[in-house]
Amino acid sequence: DAGVIQSPRHEVTEMGQEVTLRCKPISGHNSLFWYRQTMMRGLELLIYFNNNVPIDDSGMPEDRFSAKMPNASFSTLKIQPSEPRDSAVYFCASSLEPTGGGQGYTFGSGTRLTVV
Amino acid sequence: SQQGEEDPQALSIQEGENATMNCSYKTSINNLQWYRQNSGRGLVHLILIRSNEREKHSGRLRVTLDTSKKSSSLLITASRAADTASYFCATDGNQAGTALIFGKGTTLSVSS
Repeated sequence: DAGVIQSPRHEVTEMGQEVTLRCKPISGHNSLFWYRQTMMRGLELLIYFNNNVPIDDSGMPEDRFSAKMPNASFSTLKIQPSEPRDSAVYFCASSLEPTGGGQGYTFGSGTRLTVV
Repeated sequence: SQQGEEDPQALSIQEGENATMNCSYKTSINNLQWYRQNSGRGLVHLILIRSNEREKHSGRLRVTLDTSKKSSSLLITASRAADTASYFCATDGNQAGTALIFGKGTTLSVSS
């Protein structure tokens, strides 16, 4: 397996634009997570899905953020409209179960988002 | 919100020395996990210790867990330059179906 695949790796956009981040989890993993990492706040859980169903979205900052998982092999995180404070590295991770089980989470390489 | 907090925030050592990082957490847990993050990369799972375990080994890694003190430590023995990375602890909050909460990490620098 190629691991968790995220795209794009880097995204630079202007304030007010829509941004869509994409993730392909590991085949057979039932849980998918979106995290955001900044120097100030560390790694924050935004939302997670189990069997394609959103379970906990309490970390989604506000209505500008939305996430979907239309099938077991694809998820998107959308920010509309984007703001400079959204600049961060966004990680997608997947696992066999919500707490990771014995093998833990497998993370993608992240998308570095810069909003100017 | 952060469940785990690592200490120290940064650690610099020479190759061959041991590195010890600590993690404190607030609520009861089912298990605690440690992850490594190399610069510009995603996190990589290192080791998991369950709440009924006190110590666990994996290669040069040794993890301890003290549930009475709500703390864990990660020891890397005979460190190498390649161990330079940030290390994070993550906890599950002892609730079924909850996602992991990560601390802010310890940045380890190993110089040759």
